[in-house]
Formats: sequence, structure tokens, C-alpha cells
Amino acid sequence: EIVLTQSPGTLSLSPGERATLSCRASQSVSSSYLAWYQQKPGQAPRLLIYGASSRATGIPDRFSGSGSGTDFTLTISRLEPEDFAVYYCQQYGSSPTTFGQGTKVEIK
Amino acid sequence: QVQLQQWGAGLLKPSETLSLTCAVYGGSFSGYYWSWIRQPPGKGLEWIGEINHSGSTNYNPSLKSRVTISVDTSKNQFSLKLSSVTAADTAVYYCARMPYIVVVPAAQPDYYYYYGMDVWGQGTTVTVSS
Repeated sequence: EIVLTQSPGTLSLSPGERATLSCRASQSVSSSYLAWYQQKPGQAPRLLIYGASSRATGIPDRFSGSGSGTDFTLTISRLEPEDFAVYYCQQYGSSPTTFGQGTKVEIK
Repeated sequence: QVQLQQWGAGLLKPSETLSLTCAVYGGSFSGYYWSWIRQPPGKGLEWIGEINHSGSTNYNPSLKSRVTISVDTSKNQFSLKLSSVTAADTAVYYCARMPYIVVVPAAQPDYYYYYGMDVWGQGTTVTVSS
């Protein structure tokens, strides 16, 4: 199975700053089937990005995804107060689909 | 607005069978894969398995021997059964939807294009304890 490693584990930033989250795969992700999710405490994950770079419906354009092969990035251009949460990457190009361990974006 | 509503027993004893159901309201059942995902307390997400409207399933090999996912299209519901549970199965269990389309390129074989898991259930906390 494909192992996804997210870095950093925790990102401490202030509102208005730029956040850059990394997701590295143990082998190439087929067809760029890489998604990013946001999860807040007590809530289900929310889809942000699919296909490595396509924003899901209703997701603000401050969220962007990039990358291919084994290296992917989620960028939040200017952090809003509601963006402080845990972010997971997921590959769904080969079975079993797998998730990274998560990156927590916390208020500095 | 599509909603997934899930329910099932929240407290189990070791060796019992976990049983959860997820109902789809406000949308079609076909054209999607329907998944179960779990999240142990304070940990990350683990995919359990999926099913489509015609009953085609895929399971995580780590759980395959204990998992059954089934579908009832007449009720727009799908269900999860996980047998012989232990404390390690204690988690929040989610159901989720993944849309797909069939792409028909010229002079090439058809293939599926998958989107992410765009709709999730509210989650059910399952605790396994003697």
C-alpha cells in the first residue's frame, strides 16, 4: 500500500500568514488522485482539493493544491481564523486508499 | 443538498459484531462509491472499504477477513459489519461518498475518473469494552 507522510506535524502561524503543507508518497500516485481534507474537532473531514489541484465545490480560492508523482503541497495563501484545523492528504489512485497522518495548523 | 445519516450500536463487547448503517438523503445512489472510514481517538483516518450501487466492493486488506459492506438500493442505504471486534476497533466511524464518472476517450479504452470524498456522515462513536 502507498504510505503518505505529511510534514510538518504541526504548523504554528498567525492569521494572515501563508501556510504550506507537504504530503509525500512512498510511490507514485496514479493519475494524481490526491485529495486534501480539513478536519475540525468533533467534525467529519471536509473535502478541500481533489485530483491534486482542483478545488471542491464551495472551497475558497485561498486554498490551492499542487504536485504530482510523489510530492504534493497544499497552500493556504492567507490564513483566516476558521482555517486553524488538522489537514489530511489522501491518495485514492490505488487500493487501499490511504491517508497521511495529518498536519495541525495552530494559532501562533 | 445530499446528506448522509448514519446510525448503529455505540457500545460493544469484545468478540461481538459491529453493525452500522448509512442512509443517503436528497441524492442519487448510482454514480458513486460509498465508503466507510474510521478514526481511533486522537489518531488519523483509516479506510475500511467501499461499495457501489451495483454491489461491487473493495476492502482494506488489513480488515478484509472481518468486514462486510452491503447495499440496499431500495432504501438508499449501505451498511458495515465488522466481526470479532476488539478494543483496537474503538473509533469514530464515518460513511462517505466518492463520485466518479466514466470517461470515454476517442480510440482508447474507457476509464473511471474519481473525485474526492465530497459528502460525509456525522460520525458514530463505537467503543469496544468488556
